[in-house]
Amino acid sequence: QSALTQPASVSGSPGQSITISCTGTSSDVGAYNYVSWYQQHPGKAPKLMIYAVSNRPSGVSTRFSGSKSGNTASLTISGLQAEDEADYYCMTYTSSNTWVFGGGTNLTVL
Amino acid sequence: QVQLQESGPGLVRPSETLSLTCTVSGGSISNYYWSWIRQPPGKGLEWIGYVYYSGSTSYNPSLRSRVSISVDTSKNQFSLELSSVTAADTAVYYCARYYCTSTSCSALDYWGQGTLVTASS
Repeated sequence: QSALTQPASVSGSPGQSITISCTGTSSDVGAYNYVSWYQQHPGKAPKLMIYAVSNRPSGVSTRFSGSKSGNTASLTISGLQAEDEADYYCMTYTSSNTWVFGGGTNLTVL
Repeated sequence: QVQLQESGPGLVRPSETLSLTCTVSGGSISNYYWSWIRQPPGKGLEWIGYVYYSGSTSYNPSLRSRVSISVDTSKNQFSLELSSVTAADTAVYYCARYYCTSTSCSALDYWGQGTLVTASS
């Protein structure tokens, strides 16, 4: 199975909004509402930020939001803060009863 | 609060079998799906597979011929075995729990801290 496609890097200034895309196929992202997003700081385990496309776990800032259109899911972070600087990964279920991650996106807060 | 802890050798010789265990505390392993994920140094996350508490499994097609995940409900643990390792299997290995509702599972909500396994002679 192929990894979902994410931009290698994105950047933004404090207070701005950024969007990270996650593109798959009609057999994974497009087929199920099971896209999730993870934040990973260096040397740390990933942290769940969004599940089932657009739902936030308890304790996750409302500045984080998710959406999906067709075979592409998106993570939007509004009001960028320095602490948001991290790697972000999407993940989804596939029609083969497996799960697949995106390649990851490094977010830089300028 | 659910906690997961990976354990096992940090060094495995090429061609041998990598074996890791994930111990779950603060909650039962029953009625959940559990997963192994790995991350080579400086690279992205790779899904290895999952096990349901009943023992059913699913694996990444690229690893299917070499991987086995099992569960021991009496010890609240699940385990990973990866055979015939090479340097390409050097990675931080994470265990994690799936977040599930009554109808579906959609994410990994609890993660272990990860353990580095190096495949080298």
